[in-house]
Amino acid sequence: AQKITQTQPGMFVQEKEAVTLDCTYDTSDPSYGLFWYKQPSSGEMIFLIYQGSYDQQNATEGRYSLNFQKARKSANLVISASQLGDSAMYFCAMREGTYNQGGKLIFGQGTELSVKP
Amino acid sequence: DTEVTQTPKHLVMGMTNKKSLKCEQHMGHRAMYWYKQKAKKPPELMFVYSYEKLSINESVPSRFSPECPNSSLLNLHLHALQPEDSALYLCASRSAWVGASDTGELFFGEGSRLTVL
Repeated sequence: AQKITQTQPGMFVQEKEAVTLDCTYDTSDPSYGLFWYKQPSSGEMIFLIYQGSYDQQNATEGRYSLNFQKARKSANLVISASQLGDSAMYFCAMREGTYNQGGKLIFGQGTELSVKP
Repeated sequence: DTEVTQTPKHLVMGMTNKKSLKCEQHMGHRAMYWYKQKAKKPPELMFVYSYEKLSINESVPSRFSPECPNSSLLNLHLHALQPEDSALYLCASRSAWVGASDTGELFFGEGSRLTVL
């Protein structure tokens, strides 16, 4: 069963506008972590933002914020004031439990974001 | 600059060749990963080493042989590959233990782009 779902294969956004990338997840473990990574065409996976399941507040990192709705099991990424350099593939990922218990990082299918000038 | 270094960046090999991919990190991380990624798809986990011991093998064909000679170095030995093995191979590392102040973020290298002819 798909544990991480990204329903938007591709998205377009106008430069300087905000954009929301959707991510839903499924787990029965009370302890988990949610990550967003950016992958430009060069290939490197760049960590953007993290949300822990016990964190009370939504995570923010500069222009990135994570809209965490625990009851709905969603962890959407919001990019404010889009820039041309934001054009890339974006992956949502989930860590169930701790790695000490053999947990893995599971990736969604990704969303390809294109920023238009 | 990424703190996980992968060499070579590009590799072209024939189906009868033997080659190796190399990954190095000096962050003191004790868990290291190999992922395989096809174009516009999420990374697929291949192997995980924890404290220099193989902890996860995701049923990878034996033509891929991982090696972790020390805590900073991870190799992937390639032999008798098939054209469908052409992909981006990503190495990643993380702290071995996830605690209150450690998210378990994976630090990725830029990848080695492999083409099998």
